[in-house]
Amino acid sequence: SQQGEEDPQALSIQEGENATMNCSYKTSINNLQWYRQNSGRGLVHLILIRSNEREKHSGRLRVTLDTSKKSSSLLITASRAADTASYFCATVLLIQGAQKLVFGQGTRLTINP
Amino acid sequence: EAQVTQNPRYLITVTGKKLTVTCSQNMNHEYMSWYRQDPGLGLRQIYYSMNVEVTDKGDVPEGYKVSRKEKRNFPLILESPSPNQTSLYFCASSLGGPQRAQYFGPGTRLTVL
Repeated sequence: SQQGEEDPQALSIQEGENATMNCSYKTSINNLQWYRQNSGRGLVHLILIRSNEREKHSGRLRVTLDTSKKSSSLLITASRAADTASYFCATVLLIQGAQKLVFGQGTRLTINP
Repeated sequence: EAQVTQNPRYLITVTGKKLTVTCSQNMNHEYMSWYRQDPGLGLRQIYYSMNVEVTDKGDVPEGYKVSRKEKRNFPLILESPSPNQTSLYFCASSLGGPQRAQYFGPGTRLTVL
């Protein structure tokens, strides 16, 4: 099953710059989640934004949601080397009567010192 | 410390030799799931469990079994592993299902020769 698609697939920026990643999805949603994965390690939940919310902040993270365009963006401000990771959006699909969390392919972010 | 643990973290085995990957969480979460992550294919759900004794198939259940006899444990069983099951496996749990934030284990890297 494919729901969220992140864009770009890879992003490389200088430390201190802002990084923006986008996620598009196909069906209506109750919420959208963003996760971070450091290389080969478990995913870490970052933010959950509900369908009735347009923007949410957590520290240096800002997530927006546009349900009319079926898209979300994750902004990381003042990036640091430790932000180097892959970032995934995830939404819930209703498949054969069951709710299933489906992840996008991810954006690989590299922060250059 | 709230966490999801998986064992083993790394495993190299041979075709046909039954193995079990254990998963345990200490957060009293009802919902648990297993994913596999492969390059180019992203994260795909194998099985999930809404609660004790309630399990259901995800996107790629073939060749896998699970059980949920206790709330905290959700082992993944490969009865007869094959090389196409070589992958990085993650267990995850959440309070209340796929619409909530998922807590991931550190991953199990499995190689089947």
